[in-house]
Amino acid sequence: NAGVTQTPKFQVLKTGQSMTLQCAQDMNHEYMSWYRQDPGMGLRLIHYSVGAGITDQGEVPNGYNVSRSTTEDFPLRLLSAAPSQTSVYFCASSYQDRGYGYTFGSGTRLTVV
Amino acid sequence: SQQGEEDPQALSIQEGENATMNCSYKTSINNLQWYRQNSGRGLVHLILIRSNEREKHSGRLRVTLDTSKKSSSLLITASRAADTASYFCATDARNQGGKLIFGQGTELSVKP
Repeated sequence: NAGVTQTPKFQVLKTGQSMTLQCAQDMNHEYMSWYRQDPGMGLRLIHYSVGAGITDQGEVPNGYNVSRSTTEDFPLRLLSAAPSQTSVYFCASSYQDRGYGYTFGSGTRLTVV
Repeated sequence: SQQGEEDPQALSIQEGENATMNCSYKTSINNLQWYRQNSGRGLVHLILIRSNEREKHSGRLRVTLDTSKKSSSLLITASRAADTASYFCATDARNQGGKLIFGQGTELSVKP
């Protein structure tokens, strides 16, 4: 089925561990973004990409890295997990044409202990 | 800081009533979008309104945009219990290279 696929759905990490959240889309969308959602904070943009090989920082990029080697994939790396990174993470994608909305994945719930 | 701010933060109505949510933003935009999020799920795109449009309809949804006041409103008519969800506005700001910035959302509860 077409859409945005995020893996894993749930993850528990210990402080200091690293991990990669995976995001893949099969709609040939140029734009991809990562958000985190915390209670009462809405969604905050972590990093985004306007095409393969191009990434930029969002509102809360510290502690996270991204790369975009293909149009389909946009992984998010946590370098050294901290309890403050406990959150629900959403990946989203869209066409470059500004007339389209974003398609969201179902999210990854991350707990850092 | 976030681009969009929504009002009210929470809204509780009876089935059949209309629900109105408001969004204010800070900078010039290419477009403004509204999304719905059911509890524990991802966001679903509802409607997009471009900066040169003033009003847009989609089924029971009506969105208005006032660029002079930097504000938008989402009206859901004849609400149903299934409309219970959080609603977010998001702005695609001009000269921001494709960034989509979200507000904090309005939590809508529709009681049967």
